[in-house]
Amino acid sequence: GQQVMQIPQYQHVQEGEDFTTYCNSSTTLSNIQWYKQRPGGHPVFLIQLVKSGEVKKQKRLTFQFGEAKKNSSLHITATQTTDVGTYFCANAGNNRKLIWGLGTSLAVNP
Amino acid sequence: DAGVIQSPRHEVTEMGQEVTLRCKPISGHDYLFWYRQTMMRGLELLIYFNNNVPIDDSGMPEDRFSAKMPNASFSTLKIQPSEPRDSAVYFCASSHRKGNPEAFFGQGTRLTVV
Repeated sequence: GQQVMQIPQYQHVQEGEDFTTYCNSSTTLSNIQWYKQRPGGHPVFLIQLVKSGEVKKQKRLTFQFGEAKKNSSLHITATQTTDVGTYFCANAGNNRKLIWGLGTSLAVNP
Repeated sequence: DAGVIQSPRHEVTEMGQEVTLRCKPISGHDYLFWYRQTMMRGLELLIYFNNNVPIDDSGMPEDRFSAKMPNASFSTLKIQPSEPRDSAVYFCASSHRKGNPEAFFGQGTRLTVV
């Protein structure tokens, strides 16, 4: 079945450094959603991308959807300790069923 | 709206006991999902409902697991009998068929089976 691969699995950065996580699929995706889960918390929706080549920004976060709609990325500029957590990408089907990546866990050294 | 409400937040039980997890979705949402999260396997979809009807239960690991949604505002996930390998965080999430298909998650139930 359809799978969404996410890399890297872990990333450790110094506060102030940039961070990027990548999401890839072998098939064309109708959309990609990004979620953040803080340690001990639950996944919280960040954004959804649906258009080929789409780029959206939320403060220091930049989300991209590839031209072929087979990959996506989340880039954080100048990380802060509040960015710590696991970032998941997911594809939502017409039936609202989400296919999830395994997530990228981000640790930030102050 | 209070969001998706799950209970209990934590459950410690002995192997062989029955465990029931509860979920109240956001009012008006017609999709409800049960997930299990572990370090080894990440987020796994166990089952989901649309308008209280189970649509896909292919993620339910064994017959020991069962889920019900008797009405639009309540769902349960039952494990009987429980085993240590069932220890995980169980999340309930809901979404609406119209508009943005964002999933809203509850706080989760951390289950420990000893």
